[in-house]
Order: sequence, then C-alpha cells, then structure tokens
Amino acid sequence: EIVLTQSPGTLSLSPGERATLSCRASQSVSSSYLAWYQQKPGQAPRLLIYGASSRATGIPDRFSGSGSGTDFTLTISRLEPEDFAVYYCQQYGSSLMYTFGQGTKLEIK
Amino acid sequence: QVQLVQSGAEVKKPGASVKVSCKVSGYTLTELSMHWVRQAPGKGLEWMGGFDPEDGETIYAQKFQGRVTMTEDTSTDTAYMELSSLRSEDTAVYYCATAIAVPAFDIWGQGTMVTVSS
Repeated sequence: EIVLTQSPGTLSLSPGERATLSCRASQSVSSSYLAWYQQKPGQAPRLLIYGASSRATGIPDRFSGSGSGTDFTLTISRLEPEDFAVYYCQQYGSSLMYTFGQGTKLEIK
Repeated sequence: QVQLVQSGAEVKKPGASVKVSCKVSGYTLTELSMHWVRQAPGKGLEWMGGFDPEDGETIYAQKFQGRVTMTEDTSTDTAYMELSSLRSEDTAVYYCATAIAVPAFDIWGQGTMVTVSS
C-alpha cells in the first residue's frame, strides 16, 4: 500500500501570503492519479486539483499543483480568508486502491 | 447536475451493524463508480472501498475486508454501505463520493454521522 505523508502538519500564514503544501509518497505515483482536496469544518471535502496539476471546475487560479514520482506540491499563490482549511492529497493506483495523506491544516497567523 | 444525498445520523451499540444509503440524482447509478470514505472525529479521510468499473467488482480496503459490504439498488439509484461488528473506533462521518468529470472524487454526499456507543 502506498503511504502519503503530508508536511507540514500545520501551516500558519497570513492572508496575502503564499502557501506551499507538500505530499510525499512511499513509492512512485502516477501523476494522473494524484489529487488534492480542501475541507472546511462540518463540510465534505472539495476537489481542488486532479492529475497532479489540473484545476477542478470552479477552482480559482491561485491554486496550483505540481510534482511527479513521489513528490507533489499544492501552492496557493495569495491566500484569501476562505482558504484557511485542511488540505488532503490522495492517490489511486493499481487495483483501484486509494489512499489519503493525513492532511495539512492551514491556519491564520 | 449530479447530487448525492445520504441517509441521516445513526447511533448504534457495539457489535451491531449499520447501513448507510446514498441516493443519486442527476445521473443513474449505473453511470457512476461509487466509493465510500470515512472520517473519525478530528481525524483524516480514510477510503473504505468502491466500485471498479473495469472489473465490475467492488474493491474494499484491506482494513475493512470481511466487515464492510457495499451494494447498489439500480432501480432506485441508491448505493449502500453496511458495516458490521461495530466498535467505538467506527464512530465517524461516512461519505459517499464519485468521479464524474475527472479521475478524482469531484462529487461528495453530505456525510452521515455514525456513533457507536454502549
């Protein structure tokens, strides 16, 4: 089973700053099957990025994804107040097995 | 547009079973591959299993094999997740989710809280 490790666990930043979130896989992941989600308290997760770098419908262009192999990054170029949430990376591979990272909490500094 | 509407909150005793439903609207269930994800209070997301359209079979995460059953009623476009032998650690919000337009979960149900307590 592929394990995804996200860092940092918590990221404290101010609105307007740039956020860089990391997701590292225990073995190589197909870029086609790496996604990022945002989750706010009491809400279901929302898809932000799929295929490592493609934005989902309606996602602002301040969100971008990059990476390949075992290292992936979610970048939020200029933080808006509504961006403070928990972010998860997810992969799926052979035999349709999915795994999520443990999450990064993005909090207001 | 597609919507997933889940059944209401449940309270169960240890050892019991729970069955959560997820009704599809805007699509038919046969057009979708439904998955289930859970989230314990204050914890992260955990994939439980889902339908593999290539094999036509349901795949379960190893952790839940033998305890979880995912079924579908295509006549009502409703998917079900049944978890048996419940223990306190199964207290969580259970979500159904599917991939419509892209290869990732772009549509989610609202979640169903399942509480296991004696």
